[in-house]
Amino acid sequence: SYELTQPPSVSVSPGQTARITCSADVLPKQYACWYQQKPGQAPVLVIYKDTERPSGIPERFSGSTSGTTVTLTISGVQAEDEADYHCQSGDSSGTWVFGGGTKLTVL
Amino acid sequence: EVQLVQSGAEVKKPGESLKISCQASGYSFSSYWIGWVRQMPGKGLEWMGIVYPGDSDTRYSPSFEGQVTISADKSISTAYLQWSSLKASDTAMYYCARRAGVLKYFDHWGQGTQVTVSS
Repeated sequence: SYELTQPPSVSVSPGQTARITCSADVLPKQYACWYQQKPGQAPVLVIYKDTERPSGIPERFSGSTSGTTVTLTISGVQAEDEADYHCQSGDSSGTWVFGGGTKLTVL
Repeated sequence: EVQLVQSGAEVKKPGESLKISCQASGYSFSSYWIGWVRQMPGKGLEWMGIVYPGDSDTRYSPSFEGQVTISADKSISTAYLQWSSLKASDTAMYYCARRAGVLKYFDHWGQGTQVTVSS
């Protein structure tokens, strides 16, 4: 098995850009996705297949990948973006793994 | 509209058995994998396993293999997660979620079922 490593927390001021990373050796070979989870709510998919955004997700959410790291970028952060963000990927054995989650604080 | 509706909160004692459910609607239940995800209090998400209702093919995370049973009944569009003997450490929120086709991500989630195990 493997682990997806995320920073525990990221803080930004409103209007700034937030970047949340997720790293693992498997990521060059497997797609990753990102979920947003607000307190008391179920997760919501915000990025899939490394860079794709589901319909209904604001354009300020974007994904990128470089080597063993995928990054979720939120441009022009708004107060409503304050949440936990979880990356997730799968391996060739059929097992899926989540990162530890990152708490985004909007100052 | 795709919907996954989970059964209500449960309070159980250690050693008791439990089966929670996830009823799907708005799509062809047999054609999409359904997974289960655990979230312990104040912690991150953990992938437990996944079932394909069309033929009941099931895959488990090594961390949960032998600890829980995942199943599905396609006749009533419902997936299940069950325990034969609960432990206090099973206290958590449990989510069901639909796998989006062949790619390894969940595109729709249930609202969650809180399971509390306490003597």
